[in-house]
Amino acid sequence: AQTVTQSQPEMSVQEAETVTLSCTYDTSENNYYLFWYKQPPSRQMILVIRQEAYKQQNATENRFSVNFQKAAKSFSLKISDSQLGDTAMYFCAFLWPQGGSEKLVFGKGTKLTVNP
Amino acid sequence: DAGVIQSPRHEVTEMGQEVTLRCKPISGHNSLFWYRQTMMRGLELLIYFNNNVPIDDSGMPEDRFSAKMPNASFSTLKIQPSEPRDSAVYFCASSPLRGTYEQYFGPGTRLTVT
Repeated sequence: AQTVTQSQPEMSVQEAETVTLSCTYDTSENNYYLFWYKQPPSRQMILVIRQEAYKQQNATENRFSVNFQKAAKSFSLKISDSQLGDTAMYFCAFLWPQGGSEKLVFGKGTKLTVNP
Repeated sequence: DAGVIQSPRHEVTEMGQEVTLRCKPISGHNSLFWYRQTMMRGLELLIYFNNNVPIDDSGMPEDRFSAKMPNASFSTLKIQPSEPRDSAVYFCASSPLRGTYEQYFGPGTRLTVT
């Protein structure tokens, strides 16, 4: 079974600085998808970024980018120019579309606090 | 454009009572997912539907839980009878055509069973 590990339960960063959240996963498969979701105090789960494993280019979405290392099974999220609104739980998730499956497996999350 | 709609947002009930959570997916989305979030277990997929058909219900904890999707715009998750250990936040999510794999979540229902 696939597993997702987020080794940093909590992190903090100063406003305007850059922070990187770590995620590793365990799979023997070759084609899969990886995601980062954000859950602010409002508890709404928001999709931040998606990466297809067959793509070598790292995904970016404005201030959010990933460092996808397939061989190392690592998928870190970099947040540049951190803003107070980035304070949230961040969840890494894995999806292996075997037979059309859409089952997401989530990590335990990292609580990020952006300090003014 | 409305997102995923869930009701109620909060539910407090007594042990043994029936609880029904409701979800309206984003219009045009083909897949619908029910998740449960607790501090101990994190986010867990309970069940998901594609084109109103249950595809994977392996996460449903026991027979007290049941889910239905009678049409493309409505789904329910029912717990009968409810127990204190069912207290959690329940999320519904929907996804467009298979192949995108992007799931969009509703605001969740916080269930407290006393």
